[in-house]
Amino acid sequence: AQSVTQPDIHITVSEGASLELRCNYSYGATPYLFWYVQSPGQGLQLLLKYFSGDTLVQGIKGFEAEFKRSQSSFNLRKPSVHWSDAAEYFCAVGAAGFNKFYFGSGTKLNVKP
Amino acid sequence: EAGVAQSPRYKIIEKRQSVAFWCNPISGHATLYWYQQILGQGPKLLIQFQNNGVVDDSQLPKDRFSAERLKGVDSTLKIQPAKLEDSAVYLCASSLPSGGPNTGELFFGEGSRLTVL
Repeated sequence: AQSVTQPDIHITVSEGASLELRCNYSYGATPYLFWYVQSPGQGLQLLLKYFSGDTLVQGIKGFEAEFKRSQSSFNLRKPSVHWSDAAEYFCAVGAAGFNKFYFGSGTKLNVKP
Repeated sequence: EAGVAQSPRYKIIEKRQSVAFWCNPISGHATLYWYQQILGQGPKLLIQFQNNGVVDDSQLPKDRFSAERLKGVDSTLKIQPAKLEDSAVYLCASSLPSGGPNTGELFFGEGSRLTVL
């Protein structure tokens, strides 16, 4: 069965520090992987996506993610966090044909000044 | 380009009452999704439309939830009668057909927050 696990419910980092949010997926075929961000009271916005090719993908707002097939992971990273990055982050896996998406339960990021 | 529009943003009702949510997707987006997001959880798909046809409604509680997209554009999600556990944010999203630069991307509205007392 398809599933996405985000093991960290809450993470707090200091402004300027590096960030890594974990995502593990279970999917029987080649996964299409996504990271979305949700600011309070807002809908989800796509940060980046991986379909194929280079396993390190760059996204908006300085985020990147690395696909590791052997670990079934797609972790999100940012070298230096800004206060405006405080939000909830969702990892998602998409089925071939992009007609089905499965979301993780999210990781809430707090940024300390 | 206008985004996905949803209304109302907030709704408070008592259990056993009914409620309806409206969504207008981005112009030209053939696929429309309704997701339920319970506090502390990720979005869960309720129903997916391709134009005005239902692609997937396997997780829609059909005894109380209904949705339609009559002209293949805007959509309405209805709950009748509401239960306490229906308290959630109802997110509408739309997407383009695959193959273009936005392949796989879901465009979300701001959501409709429902509180059932």
